[in-house]
Order: sequence, then structure tokens, then C-alpha cells
Amino acid sequence: AQSVTQPDIHITVSEGASLELRCNYSYGATPYLFWYVQSPGQGLQLLLKYFSGDTLVQGIKGFEAEFKRSQSSFNLRKPSVHWSDAAEYFCAVGAGNNRKLIWGLGTSLAVNP
Amino acid sequence: DAGITQSPRHKVTETGTPVTLRCHQTENHRYMYWYRQDPGHGLRLIHYSYGVKDTDKGEVSDGYSVSRSKTEDFLLTLESATSSQTSVYFCAIRTSGEYNEQFFGPGTRLTVL
Repeated sequence: AQSVTQPDIHITVSEGASLELRCNYSYGATPYLFWYVQSPGQGLQLLLKYFSGDTLVQGIKGFEAEFKRSQSSFNLRKPSVHWSDAAEYFCAVGAGNNRKLIWGLGTSLAVNP
Repeated sequence: DAGITQSPRHKVTETGTPVTLRCHQTENHRYMYWYRQDPGHGLRLIHYSYGVKDTDKGEVSDGYSVSRSKTEDFLLTLESATSSQTSVYFCAIRTSGEYNEQFFGPGTRLTVL
């Protein structure tokens, strides 16, 4: 069955520290992969996306993600976290010609000053 | 900003009453989606539409109906609201292009008493 797993429900990092949020997927074909961010009380914003090409993709707000086919992973990274990065982060896989997205349950990020 | 608005933004209603939520887009995207977001469940697809009068069920469609009589509007109706339908509801559109990514509206917070 198709699924997306975000193993970390909650992560706390210090401001200025590096960040890696994990995303693992189960999907039979080459997946479309997405990361979204949701600030408190807000809608979801697309951070970055991947389908093919360079496996390291750059997104907005200084985020990047790396696709590793052998590990079925699409982990999100940021070299130096800012307090404004505190939010919920969702990984998603496009299914059925991207008619639907399969969503992870999200990782809540807290940033200590 | 994909030109998506949702109305109302907040609503409190009583059990057993009908409720209609509206999603409006300004860019003529073919695909539109309704999700609900609940703690511990992430985003769950209720219904989606792939054109005027063309809709399909998502994973949590029971108790919900939708209609799309114009490209720009996608309505979600709770025929008889229940407390279990207290949630935050998000509308999304899907672009057409290489990635077919989804963009989200600001959400509607619905409380059923």
C-alpha cells in the first residue's frame, strides 16, 4: 500500500542549529514528492518539490531536500534554523498521476532561542 | 498565492444543522480538493473535483457532499453536522504542469456544538 511516514512527531532545535526532518515513502512507481509547511493558524505552503533530475532540490526559506531512491526517503534539511521556522512540516507523495496526494502525519518543529 | 479564498473562515453551529463551506479560486484550475485537518490525523481528503459537475470521494467522505457548478467554486456541504465534524477544513487547487502541485486556501475552522 502507498504510504508516507514521518518518523518524528515533534522535534526541538536551538536557533542557529542545523535541521533534518525525515520522510519515508512507499510507492510503486517514481514518485512526485513534496514538502509543505504550516505555521500556526495558517494554511499550508509549498516548500519544495521533486520528480526527476538532480536529487538535491532547493526550496523557499532556505530549505533543501534530498531524494534517495535506495532508501525511499526525501528528507528536508536546513543548515541554520531561525525562530520563524517553528511550524508543522508535512511530506506528501503524489499518487494516481498526481490526482491525489498521500500525506504524512507531520512533524512539529519547535525552535529554542 | 494561487488566488484561493474560503468562506466563512470561522463558523460555530449546532448538531443537526446543515453547513456549507465555499472555496473560490480565480485561476481556472481544473482540480479542486477539500481536506479536513485534525490533531493526530494530519490531512485527510474528503472529496475532490476534476471539472464542473465531476467529483469523486476521498478517504473520509461519509457525511459530506460537494458540488461544483462553476469552475471557480467548489462547495462542501455537511447535510446534518455532527460533533465529529468539528475540524479545520482546507480547500486546495492542483496546478497543471510538470509537477501538478497543490496550493491551499487559508482554511475554515468549524465547530459543531
